Amino acid sequence: NAGVTQTPKFQVLKTGQSMTLQCAQDMNHEYMSWYRQDPGMGLRLIHYSVGAGITDQGEVPNGYNVSRSTTEDFPLRLLSAAPSQTSVYFCASTSGLPSGNTIYFGEGSWLTVV
Amino acid sequence: TQLLEQSPQFLSIQEGENLTVYCNSSSVFSSLQWYRQEPGEGPVLLVTVVTGGEVKKLKRLTFQFGDARKDSSLHITAAQPGDTGLYLCAGVSQTGANNLFFGTGTRLTVIP
Repeated sequence: NAGVTQTPKFQVLKTGQSMTLQCAQDMNHEYMSWYRQDPGMGLRLIHYSVGAGITDQGEVPNGYNVSRSTTEDFPLRLLSAAPSQTSVYFCASTSGLPSGNTIYFGEGSWLTVV
Repeated sequence: TQLLEQSPQFLSIQEGENLTVYCNSSSVFSSLQWYRQEPGEGPVLLVTVVTGGEVKKLKRLTFQFGDARKDSSLHITAAQPGDTGLYLCAGVSQTGANNLFFGTGTRLTVIP
């Protein structure tokens, strides 16, 4: 089973460049989310979606955009990358809502902004 | 933001020792989850505790949810090198889309 697939695994960007982190899941999960992980801060929620066509902001949404045109895909867009966005990004999905359901994480995308 | 503080942040112990990791918050959560994360991978769910005061055991790991559903602990008995990893607690919000709020993490190293 593929589960949650993230691409790319590693990326180096220059300040001001734009890029999209891709996330796809093949489990027909309604809920998908993006987190960033920084040393000593755990994982912080960027954006989430409870179904196709529905997105909402998490704890740290500034500088990021998302869309959910299909159930399977939930891309994260950085419109103008900044060094503060250097981080490890994780996509996650679950059936229904996180409460009471197992959340599956992708393997992560390492992003460096120089 | 619903903050969860974990302690200790780093823990290095000898094989066979016992340890406890704490996860504390001022917020009440509908449930609390514990994850373990290996280098280069995403977090993997270990357990979910739902009821205040609940205790769950997973082999040598014992998880407890505080009576007020604001805190939790993870106790490992007779630690093994295979227990090495980053342990994360995550509180499930009572409101909205039941989003997860993660703790700061405890990095455990078990020395053979």
